[in-house]
Amino acid sequence: AQTVTQSQPEMSVQEAETVTLSCTYDTSESNYYLFWYKQPPSRQMILVIRQEAYKQQNATENRFSVNFQKAAKSFSLKISDSQLGDTAMYFCAFIKGSSNTGKLIFGQGTTLQVKP
Amino acid sequence: DAGVTQSPTHLIKTRGQQVTLRCSPKSGHDTVSWYQQALGQGPQFIFQYYEEEERQRGNFPDRFSGHQFPNYSSELNVNALLLGDSALYLCASSLGRNYQETQYFGPGTRLLVL
Repeated sequence: AQTVTQSQPEMSVQEAETVTLSCTYDTSESNYYLFWYKQPPSRQMILVIRQEAYKQQNATENRFSVNFQKAAKSFSLKISDSQLGDTAMYFCAFIKGSSNTGKLIFGQGTTLQVKP
Repeated sequence: DAGVTQSPTHLIKTRGQQVTLRCSPKSGHDTVSWYQQALGQGPQFIFQYYEEEERQRGNFPDRFSGHQFPNYSSELNVNALLLGDSALYLCASSLGRNYQETQYFGPGTRLLVL
């Protein structure tokens, strides 16, 4: 069974600084997809970034980038130039790519506080 | 472009009652998934609907059932409510027969069972 682990329950960062959120996963699959979702206090879950496992290049989306280490099964999220609006709970999620499943498997989440 | 919408926003029920939650997918999407999110936890997959049929189910009892309508909107029904069913219920929509398409989430329905 696949599992996703986020080992940092809470983190904080000063506005304009850079922060990295950790995520590790366990799977025997070779084809899969990884996601970071953001859930602000208003609770709507928003997609931050998506990474296909078959792509070696790390995904980026403006101030958000990932460090995808397939051999280590690690998928960390880097937020550059942190803004107050980045305060949220961040979830790492996994989905198998090679079988008929639409089930997203989520980690426990990391609460990020951006301080002024 | 309308995003995923859910109703109601909040709901209070008592043990043993039944509840129906509703979801309208993002414009152009035809697949709806439901998740249960306990406080402070990551969402847990309940089931997914495509072409009006349940095509995958998570580890939830039969008390949890659903339906998808021809316009792709969906309902989640929970019977014989338990205190442990109190949670945020999230609906997510995606496009098409490819299971790995990105899922976009609605704002959720907060259910409290007393």
